[in-house]
Amino acid sequence: EAQVTQNPRYLITVTGKKLTVTCSQNMNHEYMSWYRQDPGLGLRQIYYSMNVEVTDKGDVPEGYKVSRKEKRNFPLILESPSPNQTSLYFCASSFLGSGVSGGYTFGSGTRLTVV
Amino acid sequence: AQKITQTQPGMFVQEKEAVTLDCTYDTSDPSYGLFWYKQPSSGEMIFLIYQGSYDEQNATEGRYSLNFQKARKSANLVISASQLGDSAMYFCAMREGGTYKYIFGTGTRLKVLA
Repeated sequence: EAQVTQNPRYLITVTGKKLTVTCSQNMNHEYMSWYRQDPGLGLRQIYYSMNVEVTDKGDVPEGYKVSRKEKRNFPLILESPSPNQTSLYFCASSFLGSGVSGGYTFGSGTRLTVV
Repeated sequence: AQKITQTQPGMFVQEKEAVTLDCTYDTSDPSYGLFWYKQPSSGEMIFLIYQGSYDEQNATEGRYSLNFQKARKSANLVISASQLGDSAMYFCAMREGGTYKYIFGTGTRLKVLA
């Protein structure tokens, strides 16, 4: 089944404790991205990647790191989480080429609470 | 700067009627894609429809159509014959061809009434 697998679904952590949210896709998509969803703000792009070893900042990259060492994986790292990073996080992937729609397949989301 | 605006925080529609959800965008890139997504109360994100900036015809996918007016920079979603299952949050999105940034609007919550 074509899917984006995101883990964990729920995470409660303490301020300053490093964490990683994993994201893996099995569709050979070039483009992968992370978003955070907050009430009234829609989805805001954190980082995106056009292919292996090619990443760029979205609109809200502060406090986050990413890497794309393999095409299928795109982990999101919070080196020192703070309470303002409490949010619902989505990983998404799509094809990236002319003639293709680029519609995302999304992961199931990770609800992160930082206390 | 790249921007997506959805001015309707919430809307109601009677079952079996058509509804239009508004979306305007701003970009200086001549190459871009426009998308609509649905988020039911269960939380998953579902891709509905896509329109490329060079596509001359409006996109359609089943009961969904995208009313693309390039000069006005609008990309409204039209849902025909609304069903109770259409009740959800709907997001408009855009990806620029040059930067590959992919941004979303703040969403419109649609409630279909029986």
